[in-house]
Amino acid sequence: KAGVTQTPRYLIKTRGQQVTLSCSPISGHRSVSWYQQTPGQGLQFLFEYFSETQRNKGNFPGRFSGRQFSNSRSEMNVSTLELGDSALYLCASSPFFGVSTGELFFGEGSRLTVL
Amino acid sequence: EDQVTQSPEALRLQEGESSSLNCSYTVSGLRGLFWYRQDPGKGPEFLFTLYSAGEEKEKERLKATLTKKESFLHITAPKPEDSATYLCAVQGGQGAQKLVFGQGTRLTINP
Repeated sequence: KAGVTQTPRYLIKTRGQQVTLSCSPISGHRSVSWYQQTPGQGLQFLFEYFSETQRNKGNFPGRFSGRQFSNSRSEMNVSTLELGDSALYLCASSPFFGVSTGELFFGEGSRLTVL
Repeated sequence: EDQVTQSPEALRLQEGESSSLNCSYTVSGLRGLFWYRQDPGKGPEFLFTLYSAGEEKEKERLKATLTKKESFLHITAPKPEDSATYLCAVQGGQGAQKLVFGQGTRLTINP
């Protein structure tokens, strides 16, 4: 069974640009969450999607947005990039929503560097 | 606001030297406490879920325990392949998979 696939794995952008990251969840998984990981802040929740609807959002500015498609694939977008947006962006999928199994399946992440 | 604090930040052990990692938490309405392992350049990998105080879970050389305020990850006779960052997370609230993570403990096992 294929795992969570994130693309691209690495990218470099300059301040002011925008970026789109993609996530393909495990087949059959309908919940997709996004996390930002930095050395200073650790893993921080960005948002969660289930059945194409955003169900929960973390404390990030409106420059961070996302969406989920009917096949459960998800994208997140960051506009007007800032240096502080440099991070590893992790996508996680789960078969369920609202069930506290906590077993999220993470991808390997997209490492974004903003210059 | 839910919070998770892990200690120590880093731990270096000799192969076979047992120890414990600590995870202290504050959360309103704990729905679960979770341990993950993260290797460099990889996403976190799920290890355990604990739901209530007194619960214990084991997997190979790892054993996780839970009290009302903290959780411990006990590592017995570790091997070099156990070297990784161990992350603790809590889930609270209703109807969401949102996890609040601690900063992690970076564990190094020397042969």
